[in-house]
Amino acid sequence: ETGVTQTPRHLVMGMTNKKSLKCEQHLGHNAMYWYKQSAKKPLELMFVYSLEERVENNSVPSRFSPECPNSSHLFLHLHTLQPEDSALYLCASSQVIGRGGSGNTGELFFGEGSRLTVL
Amino acid sequence: AQKVTQAQTEISVVEKEDVTLDCVYETRDTTYYLFWYKQPPSGELVFLIRRNSFDEQNEISGRYSWNFQKSTSSFNFTITASQVVDSAVYFCALSRSGATNKLIFGTGTLLAVQP
Repeated sequence: ETGVTQTPRHLVMGMTNKKSLKCEQHLGHNAMYWYKQSAKKPLELMFVYSLEERVENNSVPSRFSPECPNSSHLFLHLHTLQPEDSALYLCASSQVIGRGGSGNTGELFFGEGSRLTVL
Repeated sequence: AQKVTQAQTEISVVEKEDVTLDCVYETRDTTYYLFWYKQPPSGELVFLIRRNSFDEQNEISGRYSWNFQKSTSSFNFTITASQVVDSAVYFCALSRSGATNKLIFGTGTLLAVQP
């Protein structure tokens, strides 16, 4: 098993569809993240979960809804998306030492991403 | 505000050439961390290095070397004798001390190494 696994790798959806992205980490980490990677833009941190509690939401529209049922799994539920939401969505995990989701970590381990296209 | 600028959008070199990827950062913090990540075509970002702001010593790891200069707010990355397998997008990132899990990324530099 690779460290961080994301499914599906590719997803095409219409603006009225509801779909979910899944992330699973096998590294025993206590924090998980969703990043959005759009063309020509820096990676944007969307959500941070620490010990299964959402500790950061960087002004992400409500059409993106994260869920972290346990420390190994992270979901991103998608509904009524817009074409500009088409991007590569990257999941990451790390071991954080600190409170409230902010802390020092050796490195972030990323998955291979889910390429989302919204028609 | 914190910001990372990677002015080089794309670089193309021929195998065995040396190449330097530039990274300039902005921060008002006195303590901070700088990172480089590699993103091969498969998509996942692979960690390469982390440096804290108090350690300006240059680092070498095999064919990779990093030049950190606080005076110019730069953290440049050099690949010596480039290989085709080095072809990827390279990201420079910045974080605050105490929150090194929250990275602020640059826009990345696409490096193409031709055989």
